[in-house]
Amino acid sequence: AQRVTQPEKLLSVFKGAPVELKCNYSYSGSPELFWYVQYSRQRLQLLLRHISRESIKGFTADLNKGETSFHLKKPFAQEEDSAMYYCALSGYNQGGKLIFGQGTELSVKP
Amino acid sequence: EAGVTQFPSHSVIEKGQTVTLRCDPISGHDNLYWYRRVMGKEIKFLLHFVKESKQDESGMPNNRFLAERTGGTYSTLKVQPAELEDSGVYFCASSQEGQGQYEQYFGPGTRLTVT
Repeated sequence: AQRVTQPEKLLSVFKGAPVELKCNYSYSGSPELFWYVQYSRQRLQLLLRHISRESIKGFTADLNKGETSFHLKKPFAQEEDSAMYYCALSGYNQGGKLIFGQGTELSVKP
Repeated sequence: EAGVTQFPSHSVIEKGQTVTLRCDPISGHDNLYWYRRVMGKEIKFLLHFVKESKQDESGMPNNRFLAERTGGTYSTLKVQPAELEDSGVYFCASSQEGQGQYEQYFGPGTRLTVT
């Protein structure tokens, strides 16, 4: 079965602390993995995708096929990073439909 | 350029009534997706249009839901008759022509409350 699991509903850290949002997936094949973010009163938007292998707003995520994980990391959290983060996957030849995890709310305290 | 727009932003209806949600994708985007988030659960895929054709409707919960995209532009999602469990936020997203992995741009969502 295709599934994305985000074990933490809420993650609270202090400004300047490292942050890691966990994401594990289940998929038979080679999916594409994404992180989407929804800031307060804004729409859902793409943060990064694994094939790009780039850092956006200081965030990085590495696809680990052995552990079927795609954890999102940032070495120094900022207050403006507070938001809902969704991990999602898209399967090959599935038209691009996204399968989402339940989301993790990140709260960065001053 | 305007992003994906959805109307209404919020709808409150009684059980048994009908509601129609509308999505206007980004101009030129052939792919249009509907998703929904029911309270406390993950965002779930409902269906996917390529132009005016339904490419994948495997996520539609039952036959009370009807989606259309006449002319391959805007799309409507009708719920008839609405049930309490249909309450949630309905998102629309669009992406460029071609299969798969283009970035999906999301609308602000329609919050549906069925009482």
